[in-house]
Amino acid sequence: QKEVEQDPGPLSVPEGAIVSLNCTYSNSAFQYFMWYRQYSRKGPELLMYTYSSGNKEDGRFTAQVDKSSKYISLFIRDSQPSDSATYLCAMSVPGTYKYIFGTGTRLKVLA
Amino acid sequence: DSGVTQTPKHLITATGQRVTLRCSPRSGDLSVYWYQQSLDQGLQFLIQYYNGEERAKGNILERFSAQQFPDLHSELNLSSLELGDSALYFCASSGGLAGGHNEQFFGPGTRLTVL
Repeated sequence: QKEVEQDPGPLSVPEGAIVSLNCTYSNSAFQYFMWYRQYSRKGPELLMYTYSSGNKEDGRFTAQVDKSSKYISLFIRDSQPSDSATYLCAMSVPGTYKYIFGTGTRLKVLA
Repeated sequence: DSGVTQTPKHLITATGQRVTLRCSPRSGDLSVYWYQQSLDQGLQFLIQYYNGEERAKGNILERFSAQQFPDLHSELNLSSLELGDSALYFCASSGGLAGGHNEQFFGPGTRLTVL
């Protein structure tokens, strides 16, 4: 079993839809939880990070962490074709700089 | 543009060969990380250097090695290449010390094709 599980998709939604992306993890020691966006042929870029359980909002993006269920989510409101990318969740191992990444979910927002 | 540069962008080589990938971190960042991204394995952490010293090791093969130089640029050496080594190799950099969150900024990657 992988430490971080993420549905690879692809996920296709119409423009304006609310998108929900999810990851589950097995290591309860994970400390920071990140979401990265990766456009085709580019490096990942950090979208959001959270530390504790709960919600964090940034514009159209909301990151949610449920440590008791070992489950994190990224919600995208009013999705746009420019949101079409692969979304990677990542988690940090305490005391290190080591990140464990999910395999990524490919999202396509149709105009 | 993240400020992290990687060269070359593309590399095509044959099995058994050795290649060197280069990374220059963002100005002021002391940490450099190397990742391998393949379709079936996703983004895999290979190794991390902080100010010239190795700090963390991930799933890095013995055929691979890395170093960080005094000017903070880093090189990843891949030897005895196999077909399965074909992947995107990313370098990332960050500042700060362990214990808190340090955003990693990724370079554009080097696409390695082993024929």
